[in-house]
Amino acid sequence: EPEVTQTPSHQVTQMGQEVILRCVPISNHLYFYWYRQILGQKVEFLVSFYNNEISEKSEIFDDQFSVERPDGSNFTLKIRSTKLEDSAMYFCASSDPGYDTQYFGPGTRLTVL
Amino acid sequence: AQTVTQSQPEMSVQEAETVTLSCTYDTSESDYYLFWYKQPPSRQMILVIRQEAYKQQNATENRFSVNFQKAAKSFSLKISDSQLGDAAMYFCAYRSQYSGNTPLVFGKGTRLSVIA
Repeated sequence: EPEVTQTPSHQVTQMGQEVILRCVPISNHLYFYWYRQILGQKVEFLVSFYNNEISEKSEIFDDQFSVERPDGSNFTLKIRSTKLEDSAMYFCASSDPGYDTQYFGPGTRLTVL
Repeated sequence: AQTVTQSQPEMSVQEAETVTLSCTYDTSESDYYLFWYKQPPSRQMILVIRQEAYKQQNATENRFSVNFQKAAKSFSLKISDSQLGDAAMYFCAYRSQYSGNTPLVFGKGTRLSVIA
């Protein structure tokens, strides 16, 4: 069964460093999303992406964040200068426009020291 | 803005018994989707069940079923014949239908423990 994959599973970085989180959505899906979950809290929407541009973004998704689909398979989330409060689980999701259900990857745990 | 409320932070159930997790939501829209996602200790988000608001029939997936009350804006999840593997965090989520890629709005989750 097709699935969303994410790398790395765990990333540790120093405050102020740039990180890139990678996702490979399900191959025939056209809509892509990033969510984050701070430990013990609910899952929060960051950004959605369609047709090579951002469709919608939340207040969390400020100028420190960017997304890109550099090729036909990868979807990346970049955090330019990480802060302690960026420590969280980051989930990528994708959906098929005909089915409207979002399927999640296993997540990347980001730890900012 | 839509909100999703899960009023039970924690629940427990005996193995083989039935448990119901509650979820209410607030929206002014008439067309939307509702979902239950399961998050085991691995923290992966796994789709359990989905419901389209225009459908009156409650969705069912094997041991999982929902009680969807549109007028009351209630969407509870019933797990029958609970198994140890059902122990997880369960999130209720709402998605508007106004466009193809509207984001999910999640509740705070209910942690379910299954007692052997």
